[in-house]
Amino acid sequence: ETGVTQSPTHLIKTRGQQVTLRCSSQSGHNTVSWYQQALGQGPQFIFQYYREEENGRGNFPPRFSGLQFPNYSSELNVNALELDDSALYLCASSPGGGTGQFYGYTFGSGTRLTVV
Amino acid sequence: AQSVSQHNHHVILSEAASLELGCNYSYGGTVNLFWYVQYPGQHLQLLLKYFSGDPLVKGIKGFEAEFIKSKFSFNLRKPSVQWSDTAEYFCAVNQGDNAGNMLTFGGGTRLMVKP
Repeated sequence: ETGVTQSPTHLIKTRGQQVTLRCSSQSGHNTVSWYQQALGQGPQFIFQYYREEENGRGNFPPRFSGLQFPNYSSELNVNALELDDSALYLCASSPGGGTGQFYGYTFGSGTRLTVV
Repeated sequence: AQSVSQHNHHVILSEAASLELGCNYSYGGTVNLFWYVQYPGQHLQLLLKYFSGDPLVKGIKGFEAEFIKSKFSFNLRKPSVQWSDTAEYFCAVNQGDNAGNMLTFGGGTRLMVKP
C-alpha cells in the first residue's frame, strides 16, 4: 500500500502571497485532515475533508481553505500569508469519514513553508 | 476546549535506562489515545493507541502505555531505551464521542539517548 505523499517538500513565499499545498491520501483512505506544526510545538488541527466537503475545522481563519477531489487527494490553500504561517504542514489520511470509530491517521512527511 | 499536556519537554537518557514520558488530557468523556513518534527528518509514525479494554497497551519497538482514567493520563514507557529511540514523542487525544477524526496533540517531548 502507498502512504501519504505531499508536495512540495519545501517552499519559500513572501508575506501577502498565496500558497497551495498538495496531498495524496493512502490507498483506501477517504478522509483527509491537515495539521500545522510550528517549530517546537505539536501539530494543530486545521480542518478535515470527507466526500469533497469540509466536515471539521480547528481554530484557523478563513484564509486557510481546502479542497478534496474525487480520488480523495486534497489541497490546502493559504491566502494573504503572514510570517506566523511559517510551519510544517502535515496531511493525514484515515478511513471512515469522521463518523464512528476513529482508528488513527497515516501522516505524510509534510511541507515546510517559510514566509519571509 | 480539549487540551493535552506533556510535562517533560526535553529528556536525556543513557542507553539501557528506563523511560517514562507523561501525558495528561483534560476531556472527561470517552477518549481515544495515541502516541506518535517523529524521528529526525521523518514523518509522524504511530507507536501505539488505546480505544477500550485493557488499559495497558503495547506498541511497536518495545513501547507500552498505561491509560489511567481517574488521572486523565496516558504515560508512555520503555524499560530499556536505545540510541535509535532518539526522537520527538507526541501524545494525542481524540474525543471519541463527538470529534470525528480530529486529534489534539501535546507539545511533544524531545528524547535524546546517549550511546
